[in-house]
Amino acid sequence: SQQGEEDPQALSIQEGENATMNCSYKTSINNLQWYRQNSGRGLVHLILIRSNEREKHSGRLRVTLDTSKKSSSLLITASRAADTASYFCATAGSYQLTFGKGTKLSVIP
Amino acid sequence: DAGVIQSPRHEVTEMGQEVTLRCKPISGHDYLFWYRQTMMRGLELLIYFNNNVPIDDSGMPEDRFSAKMPNASFSTLKIQPSEPRDSAVYFCASGSSGTYEQYFGPGTRLTVT
Repeated sequence: SQQGEEDPQALSIQEGENATMNCSYKTSINNLQWYRQNSGRGLVHLILIRSNEREKHSGRLRVTLDTSKKSSSLLITASRAADTASYFCATAGSYQLTFGKGTKLSVIP
Repeated sequence: DAGVIQSPRHEVTEMGQEVTLRCKPISGHDYLFWYRQTMMRGLELLIYFNNNVPIDDSGMPEDRFSAKMPNASFSTLKIQPSEPRDSAVYFCASGSSGTYEQYFGPGTRLTVT
């Protein structure tokens, strides 16, 4: 079953703008991860946030986690055309991941 | 490191035929996962192994699907007989104990006509 649910399903922004994607889930987790998938390619791991963390940064990425609301957000700052891809959140109780259906991000040059 | 390697990249077959997908995980990784991705159902975990032993195969849709991992550097996913509804992209991913990140292969796009 799909535990993570991303919102919005699709997002279109201008280059240089920030992009925010949200993820909600239903059960308790050990950690939550975000992945990127370019068209026709495999998924690439972006960032992991543990259940006892509230915020994490990696380059232009900022992830927040609110375990009381069972939600997470991914912020991409100063977006680039190369950020165009689908973004998935994945929840982990152990080593097994459950993926949402993703947010399709289009960054217009 | 070459990353996770999958073969073939594309497979077109007729209904009823046997299909075998192959995966070579990243050296040193002790977890291996098989996923299926479709527009309708998204990314689904089919089965995963730890140290070559199947841990959870509850995602395998039917008895037509089987997976093996004879050694730490090779796994197969077999569909026999194949059906048109099996058409999807199949991904293999590997990971390591102590970390939770998974590293995905490029996928095998399967089309069953």
